[in-house]
Amino acid sequence: GIQVEQSPPDLILQEGANSTLRCNFSDSVNNLQWFHQNPWGQLINLFYIPSGTKQNGRLSATTVATERYSLLYISSSQTTDSGVYFCAVMFSGGYNKLIFGAGTRLAVHP
Amino acid sequence: ETGVTQTPRHLVMGMTNKKSLKCEQHLGHNAMYWYKQSAKKPLELMFVYNFKEQTENNSVPSRFSPECPNSSHLFLHLHTLQPEDSALYLCASSLTSGGGANEQFFGPGTRLTVL
Repeated sequence: GIQVEQSPPDLILQEGANSTLRCNFSDSVNNLQWFHQNPWGQLINLFYIPSGTKQNGRLSATTVATERYSLLYISSSQTTDSGVYFCAVMFSGGYNKLIFGAGTRLAVHP
Repeated sequence: ETGVTQTPRHLVMGMTNKKSLKCEQHLGHNAMYWYKQSAKKPLELMFVYNFKEQTENNSVPSRFSPECPNSSHLFLHLHTLQPEDSALYLCASSLTSGGGANEQFFGPGTRLTVL
């Protein structure tokens, strides 16, 4: 069936460390977004990236659509990076739904 | 600030109450969405409106009743809810809902507790 899988489910880092979060999806997509959900529940848009590579400060993302995965890189992590990171995709096969993965819960310790 | 606001931010209601959640977007978008986020579950799409018309109802129970009077406002009317309906309800908007290239922006959510 249609799936969006994120790994790892949980990640603990020391401040200053780098990390890579992965999102695998089961079919071709025409929309892929990465979000950060803060402790108050707000979903913050990080990247809209159905293909290619983008960078925004310490964060960057790459989507390889032909191989059906996307990666989110966090460099020089800070305690404010803590929270849950979600990947969400809209599949190309006639669906108009944004399907969310289960998320990666990140804790950055000082 | 994403340009999408939701009120109230927190709501506690009994199973026999009737309440409404409100969402407003200031982005000039034409599509609006309701999502539900329960503990330990991925976000689930509930309803989609495109140019005020409902285009998606993801098998949501009738005790949840959406209303979209215009492209900027979306309501979720609640009645006779169950404790298992306790969750974070998120509103989102995008330029349109059809096809690709439609980045969605989310409001801060309403945290609902049903007693």
